[in-house]
Amino acid sequence: GQNIDQPTEMTATEGAIVQINCTYQTSGFNGLFWYQQHAGEAPTFLSYNVLDGLEEKGRFSSFLSRSKGYSYLLLKELQMKDSASYLCAVRDPAGGSYIPTFGRGTSLIVHP
Amino acid sequence: EAGVAQSPRYKIIEKRQSVAFWCNPISGHATLYWYQQILGQGPKLLIQFQNNGVVDDSQLPKDRFSAERLKGVDSTLKIQPAKLEDSAVYLCASSLVVSVAGRYNEQFFGPGTRLTVL
Repeated sequence: GQNIDQPTEMTATEGAIVQINCTYQTSGFNGLFWYQQHAGEAPTFLSYNVLDGLEEKGRFSSFLSRSKGYSYLLLKELQMKDSASYLCAVRDPAGGSYIPTFGRGTSLIVHP
Repeated sequence: EAGVAQSPRYKIIEKRQSVAFWCNPISGHATLYWYQQILGQGPKLLIQFQNNGVVDDSQLPKDRFSAERLKGVDSTLKIQPAKLEDSAVYLCASSLVVSVAGRYNEQFFGPGTRLTVL
């Protein structure tokens, strides 16, 4: 089975830094994705981690620790437009599929 | 590059009625996915096509849901008859190739169809 946990909601101030955590318990592992989804819109890809460590891409960074079943998405210099839901998705090939399974998402509210 | 197109954007029906959704993937994308996203949850995969063949439909409620991808391009998802718990956003996504081990393949999502069943 698969279990992916994220906080339901977080709030932060414009210009600050926020870290969104994701923990997972899966039979197997073949990569972890982060997606951003604005209200009423489709998810858009942010990052993909398959090896341990930090991947930096502009204001967004994603970290993975496979031994701990843990990842985080770090958002720096927050902007109002970063208010969205952030979805963690894990690929677990144990079930015979490489399609990622999504967590419930973390709703981030950025206020002035 | 044109994105994934879906229609309609919104649909309201009564329970026990039928409904169909349409998806046109990005040109050249062999793999197409249908997801169901209930409010407050992440997307759940319903079915995956590779060209016009089904790769995975293990989570598709086959007693009421059906999907096809004729000619390996456009796809339709049908619900017949609809239940109240089918109220959700139905997302279509496409990717160049099917997901395999060690290969990252980005999924591009369409805007979704918001279904409300009364």
